[in-house]
Amino acid sequence: AQTVTQSQPEMSVQEAETVTLSCTYDTSESDYYLFWYKQPPSRQMILVIRQEAYKQQNATENRFSVNFQKAAKSFSLKISDSQLGDAAMYFCAYRSVNAGGTSYGKLTFGQGTILTVHP
Amino acid sequence: NAGVMQNPRHLVRRRGQEARLRCSPMKGHSHVYWYRQLPEEGLKFMVYLQKENIIDESGMPKERFSAEFPKEGPSILRIQQVVRGDSAAYFCASSPNPSGTSPSYYNEQFFGPGTRLTVL
Repeated sequence: AQTVTQSQPEMSVQEAETVTLSCTYDTSESDYYLFWYKQPPSRQMILVIRQEAYKQQNATENRFSVNFQKAAKSFSLKISDSQLGDAAMYFCAYRSVNAGGTSYGKLTFGQGTILTVHP
Repeated sequence: NAGVMQNPRHLVRRRGQEARLRCSPMKGHSHVYWYRQLPEEGLKFMVYLQKENIIDESGMPKERFSAEFPKEGPSILRIQQVVRGDSAAYFCASSPNPSGTSPSYYNEQFFGPGTRLTVL
C-alpha cells in the first residue's frame, strides 16, 4: 500500500519570504499523481498544485512550485512571496493512475503541515 | 456550475443514534469519494462509488458504516449506532472520471465543504 509522510507538523514564515514544505511517499508504481491541498480554517479542501509522475518538469502555479524527485520519492512544495492568506494546513496526497491498482481513484494523504505566516 | 454540496454542515447525534450524511457531486460527475478527518489528523479514505456501484470500500469500518450512490439523488454515508469515536469531519469529493488516460482535469477530485459530526 502507498504511504505519504509529511515530517513537519508545523512551519512558519515571514510575510513575503519563501517557505518549503516537505513530503515523501512510498510506492511500487511507476505512474501516479501527486497533489498538494490547502485546508484553511474554513476546512474547505483546495487544490494547490498537481504533478504527473511521468512528467520530469516540475509543476508551477503562480507563487507555488514543487520540487519533484521521483527516484528519491520526494515531493516538496515551495511557496514564494508568502502572504497572510497562505496560512493553512497543507496536505500532500498520492493517487494511482492505473485502474486495478490498490489505490486507484482514492487519494492517500499525509498527516499535514500547519503553516503560519507572520506579518 | 455549483460545486460539491454536502449537508448538513453540522450534525449532532447522541450515542446510539443514526447519522446520515449527504453529498451531491458536481454536475456531470459520476464518481464520489468519502473521506474522514479525525481531529488534528489528515484525511483518510473511506469509500469510492460510482452510480449504483461501490468500487472500493477498503477504508470503511466493517460494522455500522455503509454508503450508497443511487441512480437518482445524492450519495449517502450512513453511520448506525454512533459512538463518540465517530466524531469527525466527513468530506465528500467528486470527479468526472479518474482514468489516467484522460486530460489532467479529469483526474482532479473536487471537495465539498464537509460535514462535522459531533457525537454526544
